Amino acid sequence: DTAVSQTPKYLVTQMGNDKSIKCEQNLGHDTMYWYKQDSKKFLKIMFSYNNKELIINETVPNRFSPKSPDKAHLNLHINSLELGDSAVYFCASSPLAGEREQFFGPGTRLTVL
Amino acid sequence: GENVEQHPSTLSVQEGDSAVIKCTYSDSASNYFPWYKQELGKGPQLIIDIRSNVGEKKDQRIAVTLNKTAKHFSLHITETQPEDSAVYFCATGGSYIPTFGRGTSLIVHP
Repeated sequence: DTAVSQTPKYLVTQMGNDKSIKCEQNLGHDTMYWYKQDSKKFLKIMFSYNNKELIINETVPNRFSPKSPDKAHLNLHINSLELGDSAVYFCASSPLAGEREQFFGPGTRLTVL
Repeated sequence: GENVEQHPSTLSVQEGDSAVIKCTYSDSASNYFPWYKQELGKGPQLIIDIRSNVGEKKDQRIAVTLNKTAKHFSLHITETQPEDSAVYFCATGGSYIPTFGRGTSLIVHP
């Protein structure tokens, strides 16, 4: 069974469009994260949810919004996509925010044309 | 906030050699220090971690050392193999906000 899954794996879209990436974990973890990895492999944390409450909100554009329908899911919505949003987005989960191992999903490669 | 510096950015070794990657951090409140390995096309995966009450931890060919006073920790890989080729990330935790280093691309030549 896949511990952390993301869909879609690849997403190609035009500038200005709105898109969503879905994430699900079946580990029973309390905290989920979204990361952006740029072309130089730098991993930047974007959001973290703990028991359906946002506990980290890095200085990302408000075009990005996380939505958590329940503890097992943390979806990422992106409005008005820009060229600079092209990157690989990783979802992750952990039992405890910041102090335990994170389990990462396989990533979603977003390309904005 | 926390600042994590990781060096080198690229490391090229011959199979069988040892590899060392070093990280420094700024927040003395950090108490959890994981290392992740990211293979091409995959998400990062934990390979070893250490907590602030321990100075060294080993797992077969991999070891991590921590110097809390100097605020640095290192990953040591002995007897490197081609399958060790990947990007390695150090990270810190302990204050809700995990912070990653910029990564080291390790290349092991057969």
